[in-house]
Amino acid sequence: TQLLEQSPQFLSIQEGENLTVYCNSSSVFSSLQWYRQEPGEGPVLLVTVVTGGEVKKLKRLTFQFGDARKDSSLHITAAQPGDTGLYLCAGAGGETSGSRLTFGEGTQLTVNP
Amino acid sequence: DTGVSQNPRHKITKRGQNVTFRCDPISEHNRLYWYRQTLGQGPEFLTYFQNEAQLEKSRLLSDRFSAERPKGSFSTLEIQRTEQGDSAMYLCASSPSPISGNTIYFGEGSWLTVV
Repeated sequence: TQLLEQSPQFLSIQEGENLTVYCNSSSVFSSLQWYRQEPGEGPVLLVTVVTGGEVKKLKRLTFQFGDARKDSSLHITAAQPGDTGLYLCAGAGGETSGSRLTFGEGTQLTVNP
Repeated sequence: DTGVSQNPRHKITKRGQNVTFRCDPISEHNRLYWYRQTLGQGPEFLTYFQNEAQLEKSRLLSDRFSAERPKGSFSTLEIQRTEQGDSAMYLCASSPSPISGNTIYFGEGSWLTVV
């Protein structure tokens, strides 16, 4: 059972555009993590959000954790080709996930120069 | 390099052969996880260890799969009698404590191709 749904699944934009990726669940998570993964490599952690309503900024990336800790979003401002990659959200400490991370299927972002 | 280390990075094997992957976690991390990822999908949980104890196994981990962490440090994942459906990237990760609210670090993965 897929507990985390990401949208969109694919996104192709031009350099300089803004974008938002969504991660939704019917489950409550204690924390939610966002990763970026490049082909043939393991996921690299971008951020962990813990508190409902929390907003974290990492340069041009803004992460938000929903008030109910069931959803999250990643907003990228002025996207660059170097932002291209697979963005994964993962929930921890959920009702059924226990000690594991439960991943969404990812959003494949392509930023064209 | 003090990150999670996996080897081999790539393995091509014939159907029916056995393969073994090794993971060296970040030192002093007592939790170690194995995930599997196929193209276009997010990683799927296989199993995890706290020190040398294997505390949870996914239903994805059939009886052809076995994982060990004999001394609570490195871990091995063995696949016996490989099938083409086993082709995937096998990811290892470690964390210093229960992952809720804490960081889990992934290795670069081991690609398996079964021909």
